[in-house]
Amino acid sequence: DAGVTQSPTHLIKTRGQQVTLRCSPKSGHDTVSWYQQALGQGPQFIFQYYEEEERQRGNFPDRFSGHQFPNYSSELNVNALLLGDSALYLCASSLGPGTAGNTIYFGEGSWLTVV
Amino acid sequence: RKEVEQDPGPFNVPEGATVAFNCTYSNSASQSFFWYRQDCRKEPKLLMSVYSSGNEDGRFTAQLNRASQYISLLIRDSKLSDSATYLCVVNSGVGGFKTIFGAGTRLFVKA
Repeated sequence: DAGVTQSPTHLIKTRGQQVTLRCSPKSGHDTVSWYQQALGQGPQFIFQYYEEEERQRGNFPDRFSGHQFPNYSSELNVNALLLGDSALYLCASSLGPGTAGNTIYFGEGSWLTVV
Repeated sequence: RKEVEQDPGPFNVPEGATVAFNCTYSNSASQSFFWYRQDCRKEPKLLMSVYSSGNEDGRFTAQLNRASQYISLLIRDSKLSDSATYLCVVNSGVGGFKTIFGAGTRLFVKA
């Protein structure tokens, strides 16, 4: 049973550049959420995708955008990178967005360093 | 005020000790609650769900008090392998839920 997979695992970008991170949900899951985790902090909710639409969004600027594909995989795009965007980006999947009791499963994350 | 607040820690305890973590949440409409465990430079993993009736899983006991908007996790007979960061997690929303994490409490169990 394939779990949540993310790519790339590590990457380094320069300020002002754009980055795309990718996620494939756990087999059987249709909902993907993205989180940003800075060192020493808990994960911060960015947004959630279901049926190829953004269903919920956290307090992140429009530089952060996403997409979900028909196969439920998802991308996170960050434009005009800032040094403060350096963090671990976690993708999580679950079955359906409407049941808050659903367990979410995380991928191993993508470590982004902005220099 | 943060939506989910936890004891800042770190907690340093000897093996065999009992340790308790506390968490409060601000959104009274929150629907479900969890404790996750995160090892250094790894992804968070579900430790247990939290129910109003309380639930126990081996050495771990979780409690929820909706009236006080308070969640707790008790670890009995601590093991070295329990050393990790423990994250309090709250879900809320309709038609799409937001998962809000606390900042985490770091636990160090010493031999």
